[in-house]
Amino acid sequence: DAGITQSPRYKITETGRQVTLMCHQTWSHSYMFWYRQDLGHGLRLIYYSAAADITDKGEVPDGYVVSRSKTENFPLTLESATRSQTSVYFCASSESAYNEQFFGPGTRLTVL
Amino acid sequence: DAKTTQPNSMESNEEEPVHLPCNHSTISGTDYIHWYRQLPSQGPEYVIHGLTSNVNNRMASLAIAEDRKSSTLILHRATLRDAAVYYCILETSGSRLTFGEGTQLTVNP
Repeated sequence: DAGITQSPRYKITETGRQVTLMCHQTWSHSYMFWYRQDLGHGLRLIYYSAAADITDKGEVPDGYVVSRSKTENFPLTLESATRSQTSVYFCASSESAYNEQFFGPGTRLTVL
Repeated sequence: DAKTTQPNSMESNEEEPVHLPCNHSTISGTDYIHWYRQLPSQGPEYVIHGLTSNVNNRMASLAIAEDRKSSTLILHRATLRDAAVYYCILETSGSRLTFGEGTQLTVNP
């Protein structure tokens, strides 16, 4: 399917476990982003990438790792999940800087 | 990070125009003004963006003050499907968007 997809859509894990959230886009957009949205709040940028093999920290990067070996994929890994990382995670992509971002449907992550 | 200020909530009636205000007094010369909206249980959706001049698209209009310290998103005829949280965002260098808390728009039938 064309567009931007995230998997899984829902995930429950335990404190200390490693979790990887997947993001895939079919537009060959240069930029990709990961945000988290805590209940009742706006989105906060975790990491972003301007191109394959180029990543940079956002507002709240601690506890997360990203990689981008292929243009279309941008996985987000929680190396040792904590309860404070319970949130909805959104991936987005953009053709270029200062252009509109297209958001995925989100992954709802619960850390017990 | 560049900051915006929006009212927490606004109400409108269906088929009437809606003016959503946003203050961004610390905006720099290269910051773009973006508006996104988020419907319940969905990811944000792009609405419109601009730099200095007013902008129009099929969804809305963006009116930017001459000093660029404020802007207004205009929905010309609100529908029930426009009920959402609207975010006014400044895009700084590196394509970073900093979301605030947004304005919850309620549209009354």
